[in-house]
Amino acid sequence: DAGITQSPRHKVTETGTPVTLRCHQTENHRYMYWYRQDPGHGLRLIHYSYGVKDTDKGEVSDGYSVSRSKTEDFLLTLESATSSQTSVYFCAVNRGPNTEAFFGQGTRLTVV
Amino acid sequence: TQLLEQSPQFLSIQEGENLTVYCNSSSVFSSLQWYRQEPGEGPVLLVTVVTGGEVKKLKRLTFQFGDARKDSSLHITAAQPGDTGLYLCAGERSEKLVFGKGTKLTVNP
Repeated sequence: DAGITQSPRHKVTETGTPVTLRCHQTENHRYMYWYRQDPGHGLRLIHYSYGVKDTDKGEVSDGYSVSRSKTEDFLLTLESATSSQTSVYFCAVNRGPNTEAFFGQGTRLTVV
Repeated sequence: TQLLEQSPQFLSIQEGENLTVYCNSSSVFSSLQWYRQEPGEGPVLLVTVVTGGEVKKLKRLTFQFGDARKDSSLHITAAQPGDTGLYLCAGERSEKLVFGKGTKLTVNP
């Protein structure tokens, strides 16, 4: 257990509203990742962080931004939610390349 | 373009049968990982293969890393209903942990 907590676990929001998802870890992992999981697409990387204030884009970063002001917290923001962002969002952490990744329980986001 | 291609995407078999799941890429990876995900949960690591040609066994599961380190396979012997789940392969690419689309396995009693 890597002590990963995602919040909220479920959220329904309206199109055009901002939404922030939080990932909190207690084990001081250096790398943190945000993925979305959709049927037929598997896990797709949105953004990742390799240290405090160090972030980079993944393969599906459009419409999303992230921030990491502390080692333990990685925030994912949808500036203006769209229906195409309805998905299950997973946070993951690891200590570095080729090491085990630990996942949170996921956040189910519905944009109506 | 998917960096890691998994096949088959879906697999439904009877208890006791054997099966193999494949993870292929045109790129070389320093290692590949296999995860298993159950409904409503995040993926959990099963194994990491590092050396080309490496074979690792985890009870009835056998994992192999291709000699060229571009592909991997997962073989399950005598599948059981408890093996049902989504099996994902993953690899590191420029500090990014990327996943295949997964193989959804259903083992019927």
